[in-house]
Amino acid sequence: GESVGLHLPTLSVQEGDNSIINCAYSNSASDYFIWYKQESGKGPQFIIDIRSNMDKRQGQRVTVLLNKTVKHLSLQIAATQPGDSAVYFCAENIIQGAQKLVFGQGTRLTINP
Amino acid sequence: NAGVMQNPRHLVRRRGQEARLRCSPMKGHSHVYWYRQLPEEGLKFMVYLQKENIIDESGMPKERFSAEFPKEGPSILRIQQVVRGDSAAYFCASSPGFGKYPLHFGNGTRLTVT
Repeated sequence: GESVGLHLPTLSVQEGDNSIINCAYSNSASDYFIWYKQESGKGPQFIIDIRSNMDKRQGQRVTVLLNKTVKHLSLQIAATQPGDSAVYFCAENIIQGAQKLVFGQGTRLTINP
Repeated sequence: NAGVMQNPRHLVRRRGQEARLRCSPMKGHSHVYWYRQLPEEGLKFMVYLQKENIIDESGMPKERFSAEFPKEGPSILRIQQVVRGDSAAYFCASSPGFGKYPLHFGNGTRLTVT
């Protein structure tokens, strides 16, 4: 399944499928981007990050893609599991080094059994 | 290693009272950040502190809100004369230094103003 970032805040996928969560960021000068996962009642949990001099970075079951031309960021989760159900936020760092993150609205990912 | 510790987890205050939220950063981290989250929204930056120094408070409301990170002890976010609109989740994050990523967040304090 695929969401179109801020316009579709809910994404449902079948367990085992791949999911893609999209995010449009605002500042072309942002130098660092990060994805967080937030479960109900908890704080944001770091998933993966990427600097502006890269266009792809892979982690365990997750991949982040950065397209600076259109200011677009995506998070791909492979073989989704029930534990992946959460709200996912992208965030951009708008001032180099300052770690003043600007968060997107978030996408709620639901994994169906 | 303990993560970022915030307390209390839940705080209920009546309008006009004061709220004090505490944050102990991860061991070895000297930089603290406070963010606020309204229901169904992303986090919004409030303030960035080093020990005994406020680096950036551009996200703090001009009145009633203050933050400190003393030489000893936790960082404190203080809200005086709370109003219903202050009800939110307040998250603290820490990092070991300027430009050091990623930020690690605590589990937040949920403030409810009645």
